[in-house]
Amino acid sequence: QKEVEQDPGPLSVPEGAIVSLNCTYSNSAFQYFMWYRQYSRKGPELLMYTYSSGNKEDGRFTAQVDKSSKYISLFIRDSQPSDSATYLCAMRGNQAGTALIFGKGTTLSVSS
Amino acid sequence: DAGVTQSPTHLIKTRGQHVTLRCSPISGHKSVSWYQQVLGQGPQFIFQYYEKEERGRGNFPDRFSARQFPNYSSELNVNALLLGDSALYLCASSFVLAGAVDTQYFGPGTRLTVL
Repeated sequence: QKEVEQDPGPLSVPEGAIVSLNCTYSNSAFQYFMWYRQYSRKGPELLMYTYSSGNKEDGRFTAQVDKSSKYISLFIRDSQPSDSATYLCAMRGNQAGTALIFGKGTTLSVSS
Repeated sequence: DAGVTQSPTHLIKTRGQHVTLRCSPISGHKSVSWYQQVLGQGPQFIFQYYEKEERGRGNFPDRFSARQFPNYSSELNVNALLLGDSALYLCASSFVLAGAVDTQYFGPGTRLTVL
C-alpha cells in the first residue's frame, strides 16, 4: 500500500461546477497537509496548507482534513477554465528534515 | 520578490553522462529540497538541505548527490545517467526546517531527458 493514494482521474466538469478532490493516506504520523496546483510543464504552486484536522477556506477553495479517517479533501466552488490543472496532495510529519510525500495528482479539466 | 529559480530549463544528455542542476531559493529561505517528478507521477523526495547540511535523504542511489552553498543556493548532481533518470527535477525552498511556517515553494523545474 502506498503512503498516499490519489485518484489520477482525469476529471472533467463544466464551468461553475463544484469540484471535489480527495486523498487517503496510511501514515498516522502525518501532521501537515497541503494542496498544490501544477499546470502543464510547470512547477507545483502551493494552494492550501492545513495543520492537523479541520477545515480551511480561501476564496473558492476549501481544504478539509479528517485524521480519524486518514482522508483529506479539496473543494473548488464555481470552477473556472483556468482551474484546469493537475492537483497534488502532499503531507508530512512533524520532525525536522521530513520530506513531503505526494499523491500522484488528479488531472482536472473545466470546460466553458 | 523573485521566486525559486532553477537552471537550466531543459537538458538533454546521453546515458553514462553526468549532469549538474542548479537552484536559487527565495530570498531569506535557508532550506532547499530536491524532488524528482516522473511523467504522470507526483514528485518524489531526493534531498533536503538546511544551513549547508544534509538533513534528509530519499530512496535514491548514490549516483545522486547535492550540496548547498553559503548563499543558500544548491546544486544537484547525477552521475552515470540512466534512461530512467529522465524527469522533471524540482527544487523547493522554505524559511525554516520544521514547524508551522515550513511551507515549501517550488521552482519551475529542470526537464532532463536522457537518450
